[in-house]
Amino acid sequence: GAVVSQHPSWVICKSGTSVKIECRSLDFQATTMFWYRQFPKQSLMLMATSNEGSKATYEQGVEKDKFLINHASLTLSTLTVTSAHPEDSSFYICSARILAGWETQYFGPGTRLLVL
Amino acid sequence: KQEVTQIPAALSVPEGENLVLNCSFTDSAIYNLQWFRQDPGKGLTSLLLIQSSQREQTSGRLNASLDKSSGRSTLYIAASQPGDSATYLCAGDQGGSEKLVFGKGTKLTVNP
Repeated sequence: GAVVSQHPSWVICKSGTSVKIECRSLDFQATTMFWYRQFPKQSLMLMATSNEGSKATYEQGVEKDKFLINHASLTLSTLTVTSAHPEDSSFYICSARILAGWETQYFGPGTRLLVL
Repeated sequence: KQEVTQIPAALSVPEGENLVLNCSFTDSAIYNLQWFRQDPGKGLTSLLLIQSSQREQTSGRLNASLDKSSGRSTLYIAASQPGDSATYLCAGDQGGSEKLVFGKGTKLTVNP
């Protein structure tokens, strides 16, 4: 149980376009979802925390107008990279948590974004 | 602010060897300490979760310990196998927060 999927698994786009990444909890309802970014040979860095039905909370240095997050249901959160640039190329990973509090996070398989 | 450090950055061992991966954290007010495995180009697989009230957790050939007073956690892998080759990430929450802070990982290679 506790499976999280991401779609697409990889995407190549032209500079200036917008890309939407979906994160779904397949067999549980997620009150909270997290979005991370991972650059090559670097660790995961938390971008934002998304709670169903409310606005996402962004980490310092993450542009909320560039990385739009929508958590419309208890099983789906989306991350839209607007006006993507080559420096946005990265591995984006989402995670989901079942309950509030100190439960473990379940991670998706990640989405690799390459902006040309 | 929580900072997580993992040593070594890379480790190469022969098959069958027992090994220890190290993780240190700066904020002792940690509630959860997790170890993950990441295969190349893939997401994360949770291996072990240690809560602050616990000192260790075991799963199969894996054993993770937590020492809050010294700010350290170790992941012990017994009788390593080539299939254990991956990057192992340690993550701790920022005391009082639900956010996870990750180390940069240890890339493990187990040679047949």
